[in-house]
Amino acid sequence: DSGVTQTPKHLITATGQRVTLRCSPRSGDLSVYWYQQSLDQGLQFLIQYYNGEERAKGNILERFSAQQFPDLHSELNLSSLELGDSALYFCASSVRGAGALGEQFFGPGTRLTVL
Amino acid sequence: GENVEQHPSTLSVQEGDSAVIKCTYSDSASNYFPWYKQELGKRPQLIIDIRSNVGEKKDQRIAVTLNKTAKHFSLHITETQPEDSAVYFCAGTSGTYKYIFGTGTRLKVLA
Repeated sequence: DSGVTQTPKHLITATGQRVTLRCSPRSGDLSVYWYQQSLDQGLQFLIQYYNGEERAKGNILERFSAQQFPDLHSELNLSSLELGDSALYFCASSVRGAGALGEQFFGPGTRLTVL
Repeated sequence: GENVEQHPSTLSVQEGDSAVIKCTYSDSASNYFPWYKQELGKRPQLIIDIRSNVGEKKDQRIAVTLNKTAKHFSLHITETQPEDSAVYFCAGTSGTYKYIFGTGTRLKVLA
């Protein structure tokens, strides 16, 4: 157990719908990262937050958005869902979000299936 | 843009043999290089990492080497065991805030 929690574990929805994925980082970690992993694919970096502020963006679609709240949990919102959005979404946290980056701790992931 | 290339994409070795996975990176300012192991349906987990001021690091059967001049780093697993079978990802840092992951290597250790 990495100490990072993600809910829900599984999500099945239809095209065109909107979903919210939630992540709670390890206690003390200020930085949260979101990744998308499609079947048999690598980890695609989506977005990073540090202490409530967006710090870096990757290949995140305009239909996707995220935020980090004062209690440091983060939510990833996916809207106008398409079949191709079906994937495993991981959240990771680390102590530092800048400078000497170090180990990221990954949550168990949310498996999203869009039908 | 920033990029981390990883080879090979699949690797099969006999139990007891060594396995080597190689990565190259493009961002010369990259200073931290972790390796993650991901078993089927599970989360990626850090197995070893190295910082740019170190050339080699070893932890039991696992070692990582870094060549900053050539901008490549490698994962070495010796005396492979069936439980080493998994997907391995390398990563490099990009800028101050983010990590770029390689595309992964599926390692199969044949008993």
